[in-house]
Amino acid sequence: RKEVEQDPGPFNVPEGATVAFNCTYSNSASQSFFWYRQDCRKEPKLLMSVYSSGNEDGRFTAQLNRASQYISLLIRDSKLSDSATYLCVVNMNNYGQNFVFGPGTRLSVLP
Amino acid sequence: NAGVMQNPRHLVRRRGQEARLRCSPMKGHSHVYWYRQLPEEGLKFMVYLQKENIIDESGMPKERFSAEFPKEGPSILRIQQVVRGDSAAYFCASLPGQNTEAFFGQGTRLTVV
Repeated sequence: RKEVEQDPGPFNVPEGATVAFNCTYSNSASQSFFWYRQDCRKEPKLLMSVYSSGNEDGRFTAQLNRASQYISLLIRDSKLSDSATYLCVVNMNNYGQNFVFGPGTRLSVLP
Repeated sequence: NAGVMQNPRHLVRRRGQEARLRCSPMKGHSHVYWYRQLPEEGLKFMVYLQKENIIDESGMPKERFSAEFPKEGPSILRIQQVVRGDSAAYFCASLPGQNTEAFFGQGTRLTVV
């Protein structure tokens, strides 16, 4: 099993739609979780951290389920500018490589 | 507070030459990760360093690739005797500690001709 897995995508949705991305991780000792966004040919940028209680930032909501080792990202009222690849990142709290990226899910918001 | 600085942004090398990629982490950050990204593919972990130490280099090819993060100065990713397959975007990320978010540089796009 891969350390961090995501929906393969791509997701093609119309403007205004609600879309949800899922992510699972293998290490139950993982300490912190993030969603990053990467636009074509640019560096990944932090979208939001994911807290145990869940958190919301405008149209974006992140949820964490430690028991199921599952993270989600919900985007409401999609905009054209939301088109990007969304990366789930888990800090696994191992001594070695502990900042692990998922393969990413590509979102295209269509007019 | 300047962000993570990578240079050069674009680098062209002929096959067989050496490539040196530099990454200056954010002030106060002592953890650095290097990732490689091929076109249309995800980020592939290469190496994780803390000041003067390589913590995990399990993602680095065994030959031609090396990395360092000296006490003073930037982290360096060095690729010797480059081949066409080394052409990729190389991203560096820095963190202030272990359980924190990572901040990325703009990347170095290496083209081997």
